[in-house]
Amino acid sequence: AQKVTQAQTEISVVEKEDVTLDCVYETRDTTYYLFWYKQPPSGELVFLIRRNSFDEQNEISGRYSWNFQKSTSSFNFTITASQVVDSAVYFCALRVYNQGGKLIFGQGTELSVKP
Amino acid sequence: DTAVSQTPKYLVTQMGNDKSIKCEQNLGHDTMYWYKQDSKKFLKIMFSYNNKELIINETVPNRFSPKSPDKAHLNLHINSLELGDSAVYFCASSQAGTVNTEAFFGQGTRLTVV
Repeated sequence: AQKVTQAQTEISVVEKEDVTLDCVYETRDTTYYLFWYKQPPSGELVFLIRRNSFDEQNEISGRYSWNFQKSTSSFNFTITASQVVDSAVYFCALRVYNQGGKLIFGQGTELSVKP
Repeated sequence: DTAVSQTPKYLVTQMGNDKSIKCEQNLGHDTMYWYKQDSKKFLKIMFSYNNKELIINETVPNRFSPKSPDKAHLNLHINSLELGDSAVYFCASSQAGTVNTEAFFGQGTRLTVV
């Protein structure tokens, strides 16, 4: 069975702090894909990044960076110099090859960035 | 320009009623999904259709019946609504066979059963 765990339910930081959101996944499949989505207070789900199981290269996009480590089954997300607009619920998700494309979501981490 | 659109955005109805949520995507994707987000924000897949064919049905009560008239549309009909059906329902689409592609989500339909 597949599972995604985001152990941090809520995180509160002050603007300009760096913050890391943890994601640990479980799967026996060798081909899988990992995603991060953002859900701002307005409610929509916004895609942030995808990563496949064969690509452990870390990625940086502006203030966002992602660290994928197969050895620890983790796909962590760091926001550098956080801003109030980063306040949202962030979801990590797993998609396994040949399962109809469904996403298995973690419980989400609610990030609150205070001015 | 909206990629995945679902209507209505809000739906308030009484227990026992039947209601539908409509979803359309203009991305040319061949796979569409319904996800349910509960009051604790947990997201779980309900159904998946590929080219109008049901491929995933995740132990959803049979009061929920998806219908896909074509690959650009996936509607969700719910019979005999119950209080526990209150949630946000998200429609999504992606391109199957290329599982590395992300799913695009609609804005969600907040269903409240009173």
